[in-house]
Amino acid sequence: DGGITQSPKYLFRKEGQNVTLSCEQNLNHDAMYWYRQDPGQGLRLIYYSQIVNDFQKGDIAEGYSVSREKKESFPLTVTSAQKNPTAFYLCATGTGWTEAFFGQGTRLTVV
Amino acid sequence: ELKVEQNPLFLSMQEGKNYTIYCNYSTTSDRLYWYRQDPGKSLESLFVLLSNGAVKQEGRLMASLDTKARLSTLHITAAVHDLSATYFCAVDGAQGAQKLVFGQGTRLTINP
Repeated sequence: DGGITQSPKYLFRKEGQNVTLSCEQNLNHDAMYWYRQDPGQGLRLIYYSQIVNDFQKGDIAEGYSVSREKKESFPLTVTSAQKNPTAFYLCATGTGWTEAFFGQGTRLTVV
Repeated sequence: ELKVEQNPLFLSMQEGKNYTIYCNYSTTSDRLYWYRQDPGKSLESLFVLLSNGAVKQEGRLMASLDTKARLSTLHITAAVHDLSATYFCAVDGAQGAQKLVFGQGTRLTINP
């Protein structure tokens, strides 16, 4: 079954803590993306990667970090520098020439 | 900077009626996408519009793209309750890199 898997589905972060969101795909897509969605809002691009070992900042990269060591995986770390991390995080993949396909999302809450 | 605006942001309509959601964008692009999102869920791809004049239809939904006017429309025909959702348009801000810029979304509620 081809697809995109995000985990965990729900995540709780304490103040000052770093947390990592997982995104794995078996669609053999080169490009992977991380978006953030706040309640009642559209999606905003955090980071994207078009090839292994390379990634670019999106519009709201501050307080986040990523890595792309394997084609299948693009984890996102929410660092303590991100002051308002509570949001719905969506990972996506694409070929660059068709629509982007989205995972099921991770809902992060600061406690 | 690419900006994408949808209107209306909220739409409440009765079953059986027709309506149109508009998506305007600020800079040149010939690739536009429509997505559907149900509450608490991820995004589901509806349409991919890749050239000026493109028209796609699926069931009661039809999308079109006018790149000269920088406008896309999503038309709903004879709405049914199952179409209640939030609809997003997204424009590709960098050809090949697929850096999507999303509109704010249109929350559509269809009442019996």
